[in-house]
Amino acid sequence: GENVEQHPSTLSVQEGDSAVIKCTYSDSASNYFPWYKQELGKRPQLIIDIRSNVGEKKDQRIAVTLNKTAKHFSLHITETQPEDSAVYFCAAISGSARQLTFGSGTQLTVLP
Amino acid sequence: GAGVSQSPSNKVTEKGKDVELRCDPISGHTALYWYRQSLGQGLEFLIYFQGNSAPDKSGLPSDRFSAERTGGSVSTLTIQRTQQEDSAVYLCASSPTWGGANVLTFGAGSRLTVL
Repeated sequence: GENVEQHPSTLSVQEGDSAVIKCTYSDSASNYFPWYKQELGKRPQLIIDIRSNVGEKKDQRIAVTLNKTAKHFSLHITETQPEDSAVYFCAAISGSARQLTFGSGTQLTVLP
Repeated sequence: GAGVSQSPSNKVTEKGKDVELRCDPISGHTALYWYRQSLGQGLEFLIYFQGNSAPDKSGLPSDRFSAERTGGSVSTLTIQRTQQEDSAVYLCASSPTWGGANVLTFGAGSRLTVL
């Protein structure tokens, strides 16, 4: 089955700096890669996703890049703000699978 | 409903007791998932329902765990003879489709504490 590795497990940045979180996956048939943000005590919420037919997607301050050859994808947050502090999870799914496999999460702390 | 509803939000039980956790998915969503999140950990897949198909139970950690989905809507996760290691937040999610296009909407979770 699919295996998703996520790094780093914790990340601290100064407000205004950029943050990058990286994930690798094992199943070359995976074709959908979402990112979820989970604030303390709240439910995970989808913030951005990318499908295997594109290499990059942007939505305001967040972007995701996908390298299918290397089987890795990354979340980029620019101009970080304190409200970006949360746990971020990457995930992957292949067309033959029926459930998302999640990474272990990254605790992002944006220092004011 | 407008979102995925879970109940109870918090449950404290004694070791050895049975517990039932309920999930009411978004109306019209055919796919329903249960995940478990232990303190500070990631999301561990438990079970998946899609329409009238047989559920994918491959993530259930032991035979003390079971789940059912009645009428293709509400789901109940049952944990029998609870153990302290069962303490976690149990998250339910639903999706309108399955496969490569599924976008999961999560409920707020049921926090289970086994004393």
